[in-house]
Amino acid sequence: DSGVTQTPKHLITATGQRVTLRCSPRSGDLSVYWYQQSLDQGLQFLIQYYNGEERAKGNILERFSAQQFPDLHSELNLSSLELGDSALYFCASSVGGGGPGETQYFGPGTRLLVL
Amino acid sequence: GENVEQHPSTLSVQEGDSAVIKCTYSDSASNYFPWYKQELGKRPQLIIDIRSNVGEKKDQRIAVTLNKTAKHFSLHITETQPEDSAVYFCAASKRGNNDMRFGAGTRLTVKP
Repeated sequence: DSGVTQTPKHLITATGQRVTLRCSPRSGDLSVYWYQQSLDQGLQFLIQYYNGEERAKGNILERFSAQQFPDLHSELNLSSLELGDSALYFCASSVGGGGPGETQYFGPGTRLLVL
Repeated sequence: GENVEQHPSTLSVQEGDSAVIKCTYSDSASNYFPWYKQELGKRPQLIIDIRSNVGEKKDQRIAVTLNKTAKHFSLHITETQPEDSAVYFCAASKRGNNDMRFGAGTRLTVKP
């Protein structure tokens, strides 16, 4: 157990809908990262938040957004869902800003299925 | 941007043998190279990493080597055990966790 929690574990929804995924980082960790893992695209970095502020963006679609709250938990919002958004969504956390060598700890993931 | 290629995509070895997984990267400015292990249905876990100022790093049965000139790095697992069976991902980055590009993964099977 990494100490990072994610809810829900599984989510089934329809195209066009909107969902919210939730992540609680390890106690004391200031950074939260979101990743998408799909069969055709592999593991892709989406976005990082550090101490409540957006720190870096990766391959995140405009239909997706995230935020980090004062208690440091984070939410990833996915809207206008398409079939291709079906994937495993991981969040990870690290103690600082995420420089080279700073270990990130992954949560168990949320499996999203869009029908 | 950075492009990371990983080979082979699948690897099957006999218990006790060694396994080697190789990755190449395109951006010569990349300076951090972690390896993750992901068991079926589980989260990725960091198993070893190396920074560009080091050529080799070892942790018990696992080692990573880096050739900056050729822009490739490799994971070596010795004395493999069935519990080493998993998908292994390499990654490369310049800034750290927030610009990491992952390889496509290698599914390692260790036969008892």
